[in-house]
Amino acid sequence: SQELEQSPQSLIVQEGKNLTINCTSSKTLYGLYWYKQKYGEGLIFLMMLQKGGEEKSHEKITAKLDEKKQQSSLHITASQPSHAGIYLCGADVAYNAGNMLTFGGGTRLMVKP
Amino acid sequence: EAGVAQSPRYKIIEKRQSVAFWCNPISGHATLYWYQQILGQGPKLLIQFQNNGVVDDSQLPKDRFSAERLKGVDSTLKIQPAKLEDSAVYLCASSPRHLGETQYFGPGTRLLVL
Repeated sequence: SQELEQSPQSLIVQEGKNLTINCTSSKTLYGLYWYKQKYGEGLIFLMMLQKGGEEKSHEKITAKLDEKKQQSSLHITASQPSHAGIYLCGADVAYNAGNMLTFGGGTRLMVKP
Repeated sequence: EAGVAQSPRYKIIEKRQSVAFWCNPISGHATLYWYQQILGQGPKLLIQFQNNGVVDDSQLPKDRFSAERLKGVDSTLKIQPAKLEDSAVYLCASSPRHLGETQYFGPGTRLLVL
């Protein structure tokens, strides 16, 4: 089965600083999703990456997919308190019945004002 | 467009009691998922529906968990009887038509079993 490992598990940064979260897969990545979760709430879809080398940006968040390394990274530029939360990567796993998402353990981000 | 709706948002029960969660997916979404998220972990898939049929329930503890989506729209997840280790957030998600499309999540139901 495919496993996703996220690093770091938790991160505290000063407002305005840049940061990177990594998601490493035990198998080839075919589709990689990034979600954000605030405490007590559901997952908010951020981005989906499908092709090796693909890079997508939304506001100050950029995600890249390195197919060879079986890894994706999420970079936040000039962090703000609103960026605080849990970031989860999820991988599309094909199996006999269809597709399912398997998730990493999450990275907890705190931004100090 | 309304998002995925779930109720209740919070539930506290004693072990061996029963509990049910409800989910209404985004209108027109054919695929519905139930996930369990234990504190400090990522969500884990319990069951997946395509319209009103079960696609996969291999991770569902069928001795105590059951789920249905009778009319291919809203769905209920039931636990009977609950155990302490069932304390978690139960997330419902839906995707438009085909398996593998982006999943959109509801706010979740936080269950505490005492």
